[in-house]
Amino acid sequence: QKEVEQDPGPLSVPEGAIVSLNCTYSNSAFQYFMWYRQYSRKGPELLMYTYSSGNKEDGRFTAQVDKSSKYISLFIRDSQPSDSATYLCAMSPGGSASKIIFGSGTRLSIRP
Amino acid sequence: DTAVSQTPKYLVTQMGNDKSIKCEQNLGHDTMYWYKQDSKKFLKIMFSYNNKELIINETVPNRFSPKSPDKAHLNLHINSLELGDSAVYFCASSPLGSTGELFFGEGSRLTVL
Repeated sequence: QKEVEQDPGPLSVPEGAIVSLNCTYSNSAFQYFMWYRQYSRKGPELLMYTYSSGNKEDGRFTAQVDKSSKYISLFIRDSQPSDSATYLCAMSPGGSASKIIFGSGTRLSIRP
Repeated sequence: DTAVSQTPKYLVTQMGNDKSIKCEQNLGHDTMYWYKQDSKKFLKIMFSYNNKELIINETVPNRFSPKSPDKAHLNLHINSLELGDSAVYFCASSPLGSTGELFFGEGSRLTVL
């Protein structure tokens, strides 16, 4: 079993829809949870960063962490074609960024 | 100004050759990394380096070696290239004490024929 599991998609939704992206993990030591967005032929960029359980909102994006279920989610409201990208979840026990484990990414396409 | 830049963007080479990828960051970060992303988008750390400590992922073959001339540069040298080395290699950097914020370059796509 991989430490971090993520549905690879692809996921295709119409513009304006609410998107839900999810990851599960097995290592209970993970404390820091991230979502990175990667456009085609580009490097990943940090989108959301949360510590421990709870919700964090930033504009149209909401990150949710449920440590009891070992489950994290990213919600995108009012999705736009510019949101079309691969979304990588990532998590770490802390101590160093070198301990970050990435999910394999979900490819998202927003149809105009 | 590009924060993390790596060159070349594309490399096509034959099996058995040696190649290098260069990386530079102008963010003043203390730690730099090399990641490998395979065809399924799985991103895996190869090395982290903070000018005092090199941490090597034990699964990385010793044909891969990082070289850091200074804090702002971390190059990747690959000897005796194999077909399985074909991937996109990303350089990244992070500030001291970071637990999750990585700044990535645009990637170097290596194809071994």
